[in-house]
Amino acid sequence: KAGVTQTPRYLIKTRGQQVTLSCSPISGHRSVSWYQQTPGQGLQFLFEYFSETQRNKGNFPGRFSGRQFSNSRSEMNVSTLELGDSALYLCASSLGGALLGETQYFGPGTRLLVL
Amino acid sequence: GDSVTQMEGPVTLSEEAFLTINCTYTATGYPSLFWYVQYPGEGLQLLLKATKADDKGSNKGFEATYRKETTSFHLEKGSVQVSDSAVYFCSVSYQAGTALIFGKGTTLSVSS
Repeated sequence: KAGVTQTPRYLIKTRGQQVTLSCSPISGHRSVSWYQQTPGQGLQFLFEYFSETQRNKGNFPGRFSGRQFSNSRSEMNVSTLELGDSALYLCASSLGGALLGETQYFGPGTRLLVL
Repeated sequence: GDSVTQMEGPVTLSEEAFLTINCTYTATGYPSLFWYVQYPGEGLQLLLKATKADDKGSNKGFEATYRKETTSFHLEKGSVQVSDSAVYFCSVSYQAGTALIFGKGTTLSVSS
């Protein structure tokens, strides 16, 4: 079974631009979560989608948004990029979320650099 | 709010040494607990998990026991290998269980 894939793997943008990241979950998984990883803040939860609906959201500004398609693929968008948005963005998929100890499978991440 | 605290790294050990990485958490209800590992340039991989009090998760020689009375989930391995060098993250499910909160990560470096 193919794992979680994320595209692109690396991205360089300038301040003020916007960016869209993509995540394809493991086949059959309906939950997709996004996390931001930075050296200073560590791993922080952005949001989770389940069956095309945002089910949960972390403490990030509205510039961060996402969506999920009927095939469970998910995209994450960041508008008006700031230098502090430079990070590794990780996507994780699971059948139903982290409920009851369900394993989340992570992709390799997209490394975003904002100049 | 919910949080995870794990020991600061880096942890440097010789091959075959005993490893302990401490992890404590604060969470409401009965969260599930996880240890994830991240190798250089890769995403996170689940190492082990426990879903209820006194459960012991184990994998690849690593073990951790869900201690509700001390709200801890310490990671242990009896004999580390060079290939265990990585960053280890303790995490807890929260917000109705649909998301994970992570500790800051502990970098382990094992030398031969």
